[in-house]
Amino acid sequence: DQQVKQNSPSLSVQEGRISILNCDYTNSMFDYFLWYKKYPAEGPTFLISISSIKDKNEDGRFTVFLNKSAKHLSLHIVPSQPGDSAVYFCAASVSGTYKYIFGTGTRLKVLA
Amino acid sequence: ETGVTQTPRHLVMGMTNKKSLKCEQHLGHNAMYWYKQSAKKPLELMFVYNFKEQTENNSVPSRFSPECPNSSHLFLHLHTLQPEDSALYLCASTPRLAGQKETQYFGPGTRLLVL
Repeated sequence: DQQVKQNSPSLSVQEGRISILNCDYTNSMFDYFLWYKKYPAEGPTFLISISSIKDKNEDGRFTVFLNKSAKHLSLHIVPSQPGDSAVYFCAASVSGTYKYIFGTGTRLKVLA
Repeated sequence: ETGVTQTPRHLVMGMTNKKSLKCEQHLGHNAMYWYKQSAKKPLELMFVYNFKEQTENNSVPSRFSPECPNSSHLFLHLHTLQPEDSALYLCASTPRLAGQKETQYFGPGTRLLVL
């Protein structure tokens, strides 16, 4: 049973517009969430994270929103750039377990 | 460059071969991980080492054998693999600081093909 789900395998967005990537989780014990970006032939690279005590975290063009009641988080990229084209993974963890559960990823394509 | 290196980057092996994957982290971290990524599947945690001690074996078949000689190096020894073991194998590390929420740093992975 997948505890972290990314239901959209792919997403295409025009350059300059907003990209919204979604992630749902089932385990209410998760209290730390991360987004990673992965280019072909490279390992995942950390992008942004959020603790369950917050509902929003922002870093430049990237903002992560957390809705605990809905067990849902989203990553907003504004404005989207062609270099953002990659696979994005969300991951969740329970503090103290040092284990990270990953989603299947969403492939984002930003069209110039 | 994340500070985590993996060699080789690509590996083709027969089912009767024995090979090893190597991971090295230059970040001073104390925890290291092996993950398997198959097509259209989430990253699957295989093994976790904390301060050189194995703390997690996620029901991994014995044809995969990890080794952690020190906090900076992690190996995955492979023998008598099956074609379904073909995947991207990723190594990651974290600082392992008590009470901290941590971010994993990944290596570039080894793309393994078992014939």
